[in-house]
Amino acid sequence: KNQVEQSPQSLIILEGKNCTLQCNYTVSPFSNLRWYKQDTGRGPVSLTIMTFSENTKSNGRYTATLDADTKQSSLHITASQLSDSASYICVVSAPTGANNLFFGTGTRLTVIP
Amino acid sequence: NAGVTQTPKFRILKIGQSMTLQCTQDMNHNYMYWYRQDPGMGLKLIYYSVGAGITDKGEVPNGYNVSRSTTEDFPLRLELAAPSQTSVYFCASRRVGQTIQGNQPQHFGDGTRLSIL
Repeated sequence: KNQVEQSPQSLIILEGKNCTLQCNYTVSPFSNLRWYKQDTGRGPVSLTIMTFSENTKSNGRYTATLDADTKQSSLHITASQLSDSASYICVVSAPTGANNLFFGTGTRLTVIP
Repeated sequence: NAGVTQTPKFRILKIGQSMTLQCTQDMNHNYMYWYRQDPGMGLKLIYYSVGAGITDKGEVPNGYNVSRSTTEDFPLRLELAAPSQTSVYFCASRRVGQTIQGNQPQHFGDGTRLSIL
């Protein structure tokens, strides 16, 4: 069964600290993996996309990694800011079709001053 | 571009009432989706559409209906509201086709918060 699991469910960190969010998946065949950021009261917004041939990709203070062999991804946030408080959702895509997206339940990150 | 626009933002319904959640996008995307998001749960697909006149069920379609008469609009209809349909509803769209990195990203609206009492 195609599944996406994220950990931890929630996380509280101090402003300025780093953190890492995890995503494990069983989706096969695999096309790509996206991380979305969902601010409170808003819809998710794409942060990064990674294909099986990519190991790491950065978007500012966000760095995503992918190990396609172990089917694991992580999202590392450096020097956290209050605006990083949000839910982070991992979405794995199969290769074809409109209904080819598998969603994790998200990690709720709270950054406190 | 306004992107994906959902209306209303909030709504309270009584059990048994009906309503339509509106969704429109101005990006000429063929694919459109409706999700519900319950507290602590991931997004669950209700219905999706690959183009005007074509719709299909997702994971949790019971109690809902959709139509897609134009590329831009994809309304979601609740016929007999039940407390179990209390949720936040998100509409999304994406372009058909692949980039070098795979499929296109979904663009989401800001949701409709629906309470059924």
